Amino acid sequence: DAGVTQSPTHLIKTRGQQVTLRCSPKSGHDTVSWYQQALGQGPQFIFQYYEEEERQRGNFPDRFSGHQFPNYSSELNVNALLLGDSALYLCASSLVAGGPYEQYFGPGTRLTVT
Amino acid sequence: AQKVTQAQTEISVVEKEDVTLDCVYETRDTTYYLFWYKQPPSGELVFLIRRNSFDEQNEISGRYSWNFQKSTSSFNFTITASQVVDSAVYFCALSEAQNAGNMLTFGGGTRLMVKP
Repeated sequence: DAGVTQSPTHLIKTRGQQVTLRCSPKSGHDTVSWYQQALGQGPQFIFQYYEEEERQRGNFPDRFSGHQFPNYSSELNVNALLLGDSALYLCASSLVAGGPYEQYFGPGTRLTVT
Repeated sequence: AQKVTQAQTEISVVEKEDVTLDCVYETRDTTYYLFWYKQPPSGELVFLIRRNSFDEQNEISGRYSWNFQKSTSSFNFTITASQVVDSAVYFCALSEAQNAGNMLTFGGGTRLMVKP
């Protein structure tokens, strides 16, 4: 049973560029959440996708956008990259039904903006 | 607004010592869920436990135990007889029932170093 997978593992981009990160949820899960984890800090919620719609959003600017596909996989897009966007980006999947079931996290994509 | 505080940024113990990681939370919701996650050097967050606000029973799982006290808004995590493999960053997190997206609010984490 495959867990949450993310690609790429590492990425280096230049300020002003755009980046797309990808996530495949755990088998049977229908919801994908994205978190940003800056070095030495706890993860911060970016947004969550369910039924191909953004269900909830954290305190992140519009430069951060996402998409969910019919197979439940998801993409996180960040435009006009800033140095402060350098972080580990974590994807988590879960089942939306009922209360907050434990969210299963992927290994993350480490983004470095130079 | 919800908030989670982990006052201990780093703890160092010698193998076989017991260690307690503190977690204090703030929420206005009467129904909420508390979590602990472990983050080893590989970076992947590993789920350890979920507790809902109506269940204050302490839980034990092997060498791990959790103490939930609503009166002090705390959800502390104890590792008994620590091992080197327990070295990791541990995060406490909160999810309010009113949040449709089950957003997790994390504390800043506690880095635990277990020395042989």
